[in-house]
Amino acid sequence: NAGVTQTPKFQVLKTGQSMTLQCAQDMNHNSMYWYRQDPGMGLRLIYYSASEGTTDKGEVPNGYNVSRLNKREFSLRLESAAPSQTSVYFCASSGPRTDNYGYTFGSGTRLTVV
Amino acid sequence: AQKITQTQPGMFVQEKEAVTLDCTYDTSDPSYGLFWYKQPSSGEMIFLIYQGSYDQQNATEGRYSLNFQKARKSANLVISASQLGDSAMYFCAMRGINTGGFKTIFGAGTRLFVKA
Repeated sequence: NAGVTQTPKFQVLKTGQSMTLQCAQDMNHNSMYWYRQDPGMGLRLIYYSASEGTTDKGEVPNGYNVSRLNKREFSLRLESAAPSQTSVYFCASSGPRTDNYGYTFGSGTRLTVV
Repeated sequence: AQKITQTQPGMFVQEKEAVTLDCTYDTSDPSYGLFWYKQPSSGEMIFLIYQGSYDQQNATEGRYSLNFQKARKSANLVISASQLGDSAMYFCAMRGINTGGFKTIFGAGTRLFVKA
């Protein structure tokens, strides 16, 4: 099925460990995003990529890095995980800025840092 | 700065009745889009409906309609004939076309409970 694929779905890390969350979309969308969801706070933008070859910080970028590998793939890296990064992470993609149809989201990654 | 406010942490509605979920927003962008997303207990985010700031008519998608009052900066979601499957978390979101770039901001969400 067409859409956004995120891996892994669940992950437990120890403080200080690193990991990369993978995201791929097959809708030929230019723009891709990483959000984190915490209870009572909605979704907050970590990083986004407006188009292949560009990335920009969002609202909460500290402790994260991203790579737009190609038009399909946008990865999120935690270099040294901290308990404050325990969250649910969503990747999303969208078409042109004037697109009416909102974001298409991946199924999410539940990350626990102990 | 852009902001989305959802003041109802939780709402109850009887099955088959209509319910309104409130959303107010603030932006300096003259052109923007408003969205509603549904998040069931399974966790995925599902796009429901979109309203452009220059659209003359309120958006509708099946049982969902968006009550857009531009002067009041409100974009309430109306769900008609509620079903048990509507029990979920609902998020209001906004993207400023000019100043907001490609970024969408989300409210804190409203959890809807549909009673049989």
